[in-house]
Amino acid sequence: GDSVTQMEGPVTLSEEAFLTINCTYTATGYPSLFWYVQYPGEGLQLLLKATKADDKGSNKGFEATYRKETTSFHLEKGSVQVSDSAVYFCALNTGFQKLVFGTGTRLLVSP
Amino acid sequence: GAVVSQHPSRVICKSGTSVKIECRSLDFQATTMFWYRQFPKQSLMLMATSNEGSKATYEQGVEKDKFLINHASLTLSTLTVTSAHPEDSSFYICSARQGASFDEQYFGPGTRLTVT
Repeated sequence: GDSVTQMEGPVTLSEEAFLTINCTYTATGYPSLFWYVQYPGEGLQLLLKATKADDKGSNKGFEATYRKETTSFHLEKGSVQVSDSAVYFCALNTGFQKLVFGTGTRLLVSP
Repeated sequence: GAVVSQHPSRVICKSGTSVKIECRSLDFQATTMFWYRQFPKQSLMLMATSNEGSKATYEQGVEKDKFLINHASLTLSTLTVTSAHPEDSSFYICSARQGASFDEQYFGPGTRLTVT
């Protein structure tokens, strides 16, 4: 079945460091791909998405490119801030109106 | 953005009792609501999807008699865990969708259920 694999956390970085959180997927068909972010005490929020191969989703300085050849959707940010500390979830949708999530990766950014 | 609330945020109940979790869309009408369950260090697993005024559609392996879902209005859905057991202890998350797009799907902060 469809699945999403994320790197285990926590990822610990200093402020202004470069961030990469790896995400790979297995799916039949052509899924849409998403990154969600969950700040402490809050619900998941859609961060960015890409709906077809080679699309790049971007928001708040975060980017991810839909790579069909490597079945990946890695999340990147050039310079993280303390306020980016959160849990990040990669997810996919294959058209059945359901989301399949990864296990989440906690990011901790220190000043 | 749109806000989804859950109540309670934490609940402890004794084995054999039932507990109800509420999910509300505070500033929009939700045509569809979703209930997820999350185990530690595991992904969110969809339990069921409900449309207002209709019976919920449960995912394979989810006991519909144990996890009762009611979506009586466009702003409220409830999940009742009946005859709870320790293995039902988990983090339950609801989500509400305003339209057909995932851009319009909003998540609640979750409810931690502990069954003793």
